[in-house]
Amino acid sequence: SAVISQKPSRDICQRGTSLTIQCQVDSQVTMMFWYRQQPGQSLTLIATANQGSEATYESGFVIDKFPISRPNLTFSTLTVSNMSPEDSSIYLCSVEEGARHEQYFGPGTRLTVT
Amino acid sequence: KQEVTQIPAALSVPEGENLVLNCSFTDSAIYNLQWFRQDPGKGLTSLLLIQSSQREQTSGRLNASLDKSSGRSTLYIAASQPGDSATYLCAVKAGTASKLTFGTGTRLQVTL
Repeated sequence: SAVISQKPSRDICQRGTSLTIQCQVDSQVTMMFWYRQQPGQSLTLIATANQGSEATYESGFVIDKFPISRPNLTFSTLTVSNMSPEDSSIYLCSVEEGARHEQYFGPGTRLTVT
Repeated sequence: KQEVTQIPAALSVPEGENLVLNCSFTDSAIYNLQWFRQDPGKGLTSLLLIQSSQREQTSGRLNASLDKSSGRSTLYIAASQPGDSATYLCAVKAGTASKLTFGTGTRLQVTL
């Protein structure tokens, strides 16, 4: 199974600033995903990031707020822009691998906006 | 629109008990179903994946079953241990190019 790392693991940021989260995978994968998990909630998909094309955003999420880069098959970044306290969440990247289309997740980035 | 529900929302059991976690989904046209474990403030660990054509999958003390026609899956944990304490999430995938739809989770506590 894919091994996924994320940086940073946690951060405390001020309102109005931006944070870029990095996701690194130990193998080449086509599909990478970014999720948000607000306190006490389940996971919500932000966008799907495929290498060589624009990310596909889910309803309620826009590129200006959550720009995503996918420069190659092992790396992606998610930026949370112009942050507000409502952006305080755990952000997780995941990849899909294999013929069974199994998903694996990174350890998450815990973001607190003050 | 697919909706996934997990019951109960929270469960506390003494060590050694066998237990069942439930997952229900509204649209039976699924490609696969995954069970995950999440420790507080951490990422998700994949436990089991069941393809739509399968009835069950086993890994160690865990057994997951799938009844697609009734829109249900169960995760059976045998001889529970304090280390099993975590939130368990199920997620369904409608097709190969579809996203995962997550359930609401069951928070499990196994006490000594």
